[in-house]
Amino acid sequence: DQQVKQNSPSLSVQEGRISILNCDYTNSMFDYFLWYKKYPAEGPTFLISISSIKDKNEDGRFTVFLNKSAKHLSLHIVPSQPGDSAVYFCAASGLTGANNLFFGTGTRLTVIP
Amino acid sequence: SAVISQKPSRDICQRGTSLTIQCQVDSQVTMMFWYRQQPGQSLTLIATANQGSEATYESGFVIDKFPISRPNLTFSTLTVSNMSPEDSSIYLCSVASGTANTEAFFGQGTRLTVV
Repeated sequence: DQQVKQNSPSLSVQEGRISILNCDYTNSMFDYFLWYKKYPAEGPTFLISISSIKDKNEDGRFTVFLNKSAKHLSLHIVPSQPGDSAVYFCAASGLTGANNLFFGTGTRLTVIP
Repeated sequence: SAVISQKPSRDICQRGTSLTIQCQVDSQVTMMFWYRQQPGQSLTLIATANQGSEATYESGFVIDKFPISRPNLTFSTLTVSNMSPEDSSIYLCSVASGTANTEAFFGQGTRLTVV
């Protein structure tokens, strides 16, 4: 049973435009969410996280939005750069922390120069 | 951030054999984890490696198949035992770090192919 879902396996965006990656979850006990970026042959790299007590967290070009009532979060990257091309994973935890993470299947982002 | 070194980075193994994957962290960490990513799938937690005690396994994973050691706060190993082609996956070591363990860092992964 996939508790964290990324329904778009791929996304293509022009350089300089906004990339929006979406993630849905089913377990209402999740209260901490993270986004990771993964390049081929490398482990996932932590990007940004958000606690359920917030609805937005921003770090440079990356912003994560959380809608608890809809059990939905999204990652916005603006402006998108070719170096952002990677697979992005959404993850959730039932504890306030990065323990025992449940991952989505990933979205492959391609930023076109 | 924690720097995690994992080896081997890849291996091709014969079915029925075992492979031990090592994970070394550059600082002492309380929480260490092992994940698996099967082809086309998301990352799935195998177990939490506990220092000084037996690992805590998630549903579907057992100690006989995936024995784990955690001799100190910077090192852990995962063994994939009696391998079959279904064990072909990427295996990743992870640590939770930061204030209240709010960040998780991953090694580069071990790509295992069982033939």
